[in-house]
Formats: sequence, structure tokens, C-alpha cells
Amino acid sequence: GEDVEQSLFLSVREGDSSVINCTYTDSSSTYLYWYKQEPGAGLQLLTYIFSNMDMKQDQRLTVLLNKKDKHLSLRIADTQTGDSAIYFCASAGDAGNMLTFGGGTRLMVKP
Amino acid sequence: DAGVIQSPRHEVTEMGQEVTLRCKPISGHDYLFWYRQTMMRGLELLIYFNNNVPIDDSGMPEDRFSAKMPNASFSTLKIQPSEPRDSAVYFCASSNSARRELFFGEGSRLTVL
Repeated sequence: GEDVEQSLFLSVREGDSSVINCTYTDSSSTYLYWYKQEPGAGLQLLTYIFSNMDMKQDQRLTVLLNKKDKHLSLRIADTQTGDSAIYFCASAGDAGNMLTFGGGTRLMVKP
Repeated sequence: DAGVIQSPRHEVTEMGQEVTLRCKPISGHDYLFWYRQTMMRGLELLIYFNNNVPIDDSGMPEDRFSAKMPNASFSTLKIQPSEPRDSAVYFCASSNSARRELFFGEGSRLTVL
């Protein structure tokens, strides 16, 4: 089945850029997502990208997709302490709405 | 618009007791998912429904777990009997097949003593 991998932890200083990486195995993945989970809360959809795109920008967030390498990244510009959270990458194919989630990357932003 | 609503938010129970978790999906969504989140195993899909029909329950850990969706606006996840290893945060999520965005509830934190 589909497998989605992420590094466990990232620490950055406030004001720096953060880059969170993700790899997936299913080449037929059509939709790729980034979710954010703050402590004690559910997962919140941040952004998503279709597999026919290679970049999507939304304010401080930039998603890059390298379909050949099955690599997805999320760049957060000017990272703030409020960005501290767990970030999940997820993929979905064409059929159905089932998402496969990575293990999550805990982002810690130091003041 | 109200999001996905789960209850209870927190439940503490003793081993052997029955636990029922409840979920109200977003109106108009035709998919409903139950996930479990633990430190050790991360986010696991337990079961999902499409138009109130269970489609894939292969993630349900064992027969002690059951889920129902009697109508489009309500689902339950039941654990009977509960065990300490069932302690986790249980999330319900819903989506619309047209938009493919999964919306999560705030979760139900279950502690089994």
C-alpha cells in the first residue's frame, strides 16, 4: 500500500524559513496535502496541491512537488512561534477520499 | 458553518467498561472517517463510511471495536470492553467527494485505567 514518510522533528529560529519534507510511494497519488495540528486540537488543512502542479504559493506557505522523485515540501517563510505545531503530509489517489498520512513533523520555533 | 463535532472531548474510564464516542459530520459531506492517534503509532485510519455505508474497516484493531453510521448526520465508535491500550485520541473527519478536503473534529481523548 501507499507509504508516506516525514522526518520527525525540525527546530528553527523565529523569522527564519522552515522547510518540511515528505516522500510518498504511490506514483498515482493525485492530491497531496499539508495539515497542521496544534496541541490538543484536530488536524487543520493548510494547503493542497494537485499532482499536475509543481508549485503552489499561499501567503507565507510554498508547496513544492517533485513528482519524479515523489517528494513534497512545505516552506514556511518568516516562521513565527505560532507556527509551532505538528505538520502532516498526506496523499490521495483518484478513487475515493481516503488519505494516507505521514507520521508528522514536529516544528519547534525558538524566539 | 459548524465543523465536525465530536463528543465527549475527554473520557476517563476503567478497564472493561464500554466506551461510546460520537461524531456529527459537516452537513452535506458524504464521507466519514474514524482515526486513532497515539504517540507510538501516529495517526491510524480505523474505518470509513461513504453515504452511511462502511467501506473499509480493515484498520479496526479487533472485535472489541465497532462503528455505526445510522444516518448522514451521526456516527458512533464503540469499544466494548475497553482496555488500557485503547487509550488514545480518536478523531472523526468528514469530506465531500467533490472537493476531497478532509475536515477533522477536535478529537475525543480516551484514557482507560
